[in-house]
This record gives sequence, C-alpha cells and structure tokens, in this order.
Amino acid sequence: KQEVTQIPAALSVPEGENLVLNCSFTDSAIYNLQWFRQDPGKGLTSLLLIQSSQREQTSGRLNASLDKSSGRSTLYIAASQPGDSATYLCAASTDSWGKLQFGAGTQVVVTP
Amino acid sequence: DTGVSQDPRHKITKRGQNVTFRCDPISEHNRLYWYRQTLGQGPEFLTYFQNEAQLEKSRLLSDRFSAERPKGSFSTLEIQRTEQGDSAMYLCASSRSSGSCTFGSGTRLTVV
Repeated sequence: KQEVTQIPAALSVPEGENLVLNCSFTDSAIYNLQWFRQDPGKGLTSLLLIQSSQREQTSGRLNASLDKSSGRSTLYIAASQPGDSATYLCAASTDSWGKLQFGAGTQVVVTP
Repeated sequence: DTGVSQDPRHKITKRGQNVTFRCDPISEHNRLYWYRQTLGQGPEFLTYFQNEAQLEKSRLLSDRFSAERPKGSFSTLEIQRTEQGDSAMYLCASSRSSGSCTFGSGTRLTVV
C-alpha cells in the first residue's frame, strides 16, 4: 500500500526566504504526483501536477521536482510572501483511475 | 468552468440522524471522487465514479455510507445513522481522465 509522508509537519520562515517542502512515498510505481494548497477550513487548490514521465513542473514562483527512484518530490516556493501561508499537501496517484494517496501536509507560516 | 460545488457547506446533525451531501462537478469531467478529511490529516479516499459507474469503494466506506451519481452528472453521499466519528470535512473532486483533480470547498459535518 502506498504511504505518503511529509516532513516537517510545520514550518515558519521570514518573508522573502525560499521555501522547500518535502514529500516522500513508498511505492515508486506512481502515475503522477500533485501538490495542493489548503487554507484553513477550505477545500484544496491544485498547484502542480507532475506526470510519472516528468522530472519537474514550474508555475510562476513554484517549482516541483519528482524523483521516482528515491521516492521523493520537492516543492520549491521562491521569495515567500505572507500570502503563501497555508498547508501544503502532496498526493500520489498509483492507479489509472486517479485515486490519490495524501500526505498529512506541511503547515507553512510566512512572517512579515 | 464554475468549479466543483458542494452543498451544504456546513451540517450539524444529531447522532443517529441521516444526512445527504451533494456535489456538482465540472461539467466536462467524467471522473468524480469523494474524500474525507479530519483535523490535521490529509484527505482519505472514500469512493470514485467514472461517469455514472461507481468503480471503487474504500474500506472506510461502511454499510452506513452510500454514494450515487445518476446520469453521470451530480453526485450525492448519504450517511445513515450518523455517529460522532463521522464528524469530518467531506470533499468532492472531479477530473478528466489523467488530468489534475479539482476539489470543491467541502462539507463540514459535525455530529453532536
């Protein structure tokens, strides 16, 4: 069974610093990996989707890498802003139906 | 693209009562998923529809839970004889085949 882990559970950085969020998964046979953002009491917003054949995806200040052999994905957020404060979740899809296995998330606080 | 809509946003119910939640996916998305999320955890997969066919149900989905997606459009999730352990955020998501998932804002259920 696929298990997804995110460490640390919480992270606080000063504004302007780059953020590095880690995600590890136990089964390397994934179809894709997604990163989501969740604000308190809200649903999830998709940030980046990396297909299994890709090594990274970029969108604005966000860059996500995927290393299937080591079972790791990393989300980089450049020049963090207070508006980046949220919980970031990674999720791996291990079948063609798109069912997602989530990590517990990393709660990020960016201080002004 | 009006996004994924969920109704109601919040539901408080007494233990033993039945509740029903509705999800309206993005119209061109053929896949629909239900997840459950408790505080401090990532969402857990409950069930999945491809058009109107329910293709997979998690072991988390006890006999008290039932989901439908008539005509492959909106979906409903019903919980019968609610228990306090059912208190959670219920999230609906939709996607095209092999695309990224779009999540709704969720229905927060509180069983008192």
